Amino acid sequence: SQKIEQNSEALNIQEGKTATLTCNYTNYSPAYLQWYRQDPGRGPVFLLLIRENEKEKRKERLKVTFDTTLKQSLFHITASQPADSATYLCALDWGHGNKLVFGAGTILRVKS
Amino acid sequence: DADVTQTPRNRITKTGKRIMLECSQTKGHDRMYWYRQDPGLGLRLIYYSFDVKDINKGEISDGYSVSRQAQAKFSLSLESAIPNQTALYFCATSDRRPGQGAGETQYFGPGTRLLVL
Repeated sequence: SQKIEQNSEALNIQEGKTATLTCNYTNYSPAYLQWYRQDPGRGPVFLLLIRENEKEKRKERLKVTFDTTLKQSLFHITASQPADSATYLCALDWGHGNKLVFGAGTILRVKS
Repeated sequence: DADVTQTPRNRITKTGKRIMLECSQTKGHDRMYWYRQDPGLGLRLIYYSFDVKDINKGEISDGYSVSRQAQAKFSLSLESAIPNQTALYFCATSDRRPGQGAGETQYFGPGTRLLVL
């Protein structure tokens, strides 16, 4: 079965630096990969979607890459701010009826 | 007002009790989902529905049932609650427009925190 791995250890970085989060998966590549943000006690909120034929997608300070050879997506937040502190989830869609499979998420803490 | 609402937001119940969690949406989406979230395990799909007459089991449907009463309403029931159903439950919606492939985003409710004693 498909497996998704996100770093279970929290990522602590200094304000202004670039945060890089990793999402690895096994077996065959998904048709789409999405990143969500989740704040404590709240539901996940969609951030970015990247398709298997895309290498990179950007939105303001956010950038996602998708490497189907490495079976990995990287999520970057440039010029990070304390308000970026949250849990970030990657979600994979293998195109079978639009069911997303979520990773467990990585906690990001940005310190001022 | 929130597009996806869940009631109750918090619930404490006892083993063996039947409870229902409700989800309503004003986004006009056809697709609705129920997930549970446990620490370290991420979100796991319980049931999903692509329209009012469609109900599908997800990854972990045992012990749960659902009802899609209308396009806007999707409820989750625990027929006989047990302690390992203690978790955070989320409802989500998504929309597939004609000609659009898979990969549309999901919109989540605020969650229901359930404790089964």
